[in-house]
Amino acid sequence: GAVVSQHPSRVICKSGTSVKIECRSLDFQATTMFWYRQFPKQSLMLMATSNEGSKATYEQGVEKDKFLINHASLTLSTLTVTSAHPEDSSFYICSAKRAQGNTEAFFGQGTRLTVV
Amino acid sequence: QQQVKQSPQSLIVQKGGISIINCAYENTAFDYFPWYQQFPGKGPALLIAIRPDVSEKKEGRFTISFNKSAKQFSLHIMDSQPGDSATYFCAASIETSGSRLTFGEGTQLTVNP
Repeated sequence: GAVVSQHPSRVICKSGTSVKIECRSLDFQATTMFWYRQFPKQSLMLMATSNEGSKATYEQGVEKDKFLINHASLTLSTLTVTSAHPEDSSFYICSAKRAQGNTEAFFGQGTRLTVV
Repeated sequence: QQQVKQSPQSLIVQKGGISIINCAYENTAFDYFPWYQQFPGKGPALLIAIRPDVSEKKEGRFTISFNKSAKQFSLHIMDSQPGDSATYFCAASIETSGSRLTFGEGTQLTVNP
């Protein structure tokens, strides 16, 4: 299967600062990447869909100015949590879909964000 | 609105037993139904997936049963092992609409030795 690498795996930041999370497709080109948020013992909630070279599409209720998404290349998408607050603490997961081919989306290993 | 409902929330099975997790969906436009396995602190990994043109798909110990008329699909894990202990998510998507996955609530499976 294809490999999606997410970095960092864990990050602790102070309230009010910004944090950037990277999602890379290592061995395939991904025109579409997805960003999810997962609270403990809950399901994955889609935050936004990121298409290479265009603006991300955010799900209802997700603040686009707080969760900045950039998909500048076919192998890299970034999620920046701006002015983080403790309630932003969560597990953030990206997935990437091949530019061509089947429907399968490959997931990164997730990033545990803790805002103190 | 929860478009994919999953049950049970938690499941305990003895080693060697069969684990069964069920999902029901509402949107008849869904045409891709994957199951994911997630271990604590890790991202989900695809286990097996099915499309609505078949009623069953088997890969090793994992089988998906699909009932299009009832809008239900289920995951069967045969000969369950302690290493299968994880959280399982069903999902659904529409392939022609960018493949946005809608996830079920998840099932925490525990397989006792």
